Amino acid sequence: DIQMTQSPSSLSASMGDRVTITCRASRGISNYLAWYQQKPGKVPRLLIYAASTLQSGVPSRFSGSGSGTDFTLTISSLQPEDVATYYCQRYNSAPRTFGQGTKVEIK
Amino acid sequence: EVQLLESGGGLVQPGGSLRLSCAASGFTFSSYAMSWVRQAPGKGLEWVSTIDGGDATYYADSVKGRFTISRDNSKNTLYLQMNSLRAEDTAIYYCAKDLGRGSGAAFDIWGQGTMVTVSS
Repeated sequence: DIQMTQSPSSLSASMGDRVTITCRASRGISNYLAWYQQKPGKVPRLLIYAASTLQSGVPSRFSGSGSGTDFTLTISSLQPEDVATYYCQRYNSAPRTFGQGTKVEIK
Repeated sequence: EVQLLESGGGLVQPGGSLRLSCAASGFTFSSYAMSWVRQAPGKGLEWVSTIDGGDATYYADSVKGRFTISRDNSKNTLYLQMNSLRAEDTAIYYCAKDLGRGSGAAFDIWGQGTMVTVSS
């Protein structure tokens, strides 16, 4: 099975900072990659699909890039409401594996 | 408004069974693949199973042979029959709508989740 590895597992950044989270697939998955945000105690929310397509209603400070095995989620200017755990997920075939998550906190 | 509402969770003994339901509204249920995703306490997300618009089914290795996903398009309802439950199946179970009809899409709508606890 294809494994999805996120880095870092957690990070702390200041408000307004640019934040980058990386997701690496153990084999190529083209652009079949999604990013989700899960705030504490809440339901996951789709942010980005097809590696770089912003889901409707998601703030434009979120962006995604990459193809093949290496992908990135970027928050251009970190806001207090962005405190959450972020997950990548491949969906090109079963099993539709999630990464282990990256917890983002405010300094 | 697009909505998913899970039910059927609870406390069950190891080796027992439960059937989860997910009632969908606000979209053409039969046109989309549907999935179950779980999250053990304090842990990350784990994909469990998907049923596509043509009723093809897919399972994680950890539940294959024990769980069965199904759908009733006349009732706009998704199901997950869980048998031979183990302590490691303890989790919040989320119902999720796929972006497309086939099995290869992201999950754009999530239910609130239902808690399953497997313990004696």
